[in-house]
Amino acid sequence: DAKTTQPTSMDCAEGRAANLPCNHSTISGNEYVYWYRQIHSQGPQYIIHGLKNNETNEMASLIITEDRKSSTLILPHATLRDTAVYYCIVRVDNYGQNFVFGPGTRLSVLP
Amino acid sequence: EAEVAQSPRYKITEKSQAVAFWCDPISGHATLYWYRQILGQGPELLVQFQDESVVDDSQLPKDRFSAERLKGVDSTLKIQPAELGDSAMYLCASSLEGGEHEQYFGPGTRLTVT
Repeated sequence: DAKTTQPTSMDCAEGRAANLPCNHSTISGNEYVYWYRQIHSQGPQYIIHGLKNNETNEMASLIITEDRKSSTLILPHATLRDTAVYYCIVRVDNYGQNFVFGPGTRLSVLP
Repeated sequence: EAEVAQSPRYKITEKSQAVAFWCDPISGHATLYWYRQILGQGPELLVQFQDESVVDDSQLPKDRFSAERLKGVDSTLKIQPAELGDSAMYLCASSLEGGEHEQYFGPGTRLTVT
């Protein structure tokens, strides 16, 4: 079973920041937070991951609360091509631990 | 940029028929995964290979599903006989070794069983 809770859907205006929340209140100390997204009719795509510290890459930023019970994925300037289902996953970072995908958040970026 | 290849992209079959899907992972990736994704849900892992060996098939319905990766490169997932409830997207993914942060997914095969 997925260990995360995400809103079913969200809208965001094009050019604005998209902030996608995720609750993972039962996260263990050695579990990472991962974000993947799935654009319609494509396979999922890795976005970012983190353990404790906030992370940023060319696609997004990940903000993890100090108690690690929740996190937020930030797309700083959303475009229409960011319309997708976004999955928040927690997983121990070692061999044999697989990704368990929940239903995710369907983000619609509106013109 | 290297990609995971899957074929066919779409497949329509009648129930009780056999169907097979093919996946070619990114070159050099030792770990290969097959997922099933029902419409409106996230992907669910069916089987994981490390080279040619199965390391996790706990969610694979073994009475009708089989998977192989004979030479540790490409892989085939088979369903025989297909049932109406097997209609779904079948996704293949690969990674260098199991446990990496990033799995690379193919475009999937959309199966419709009539």
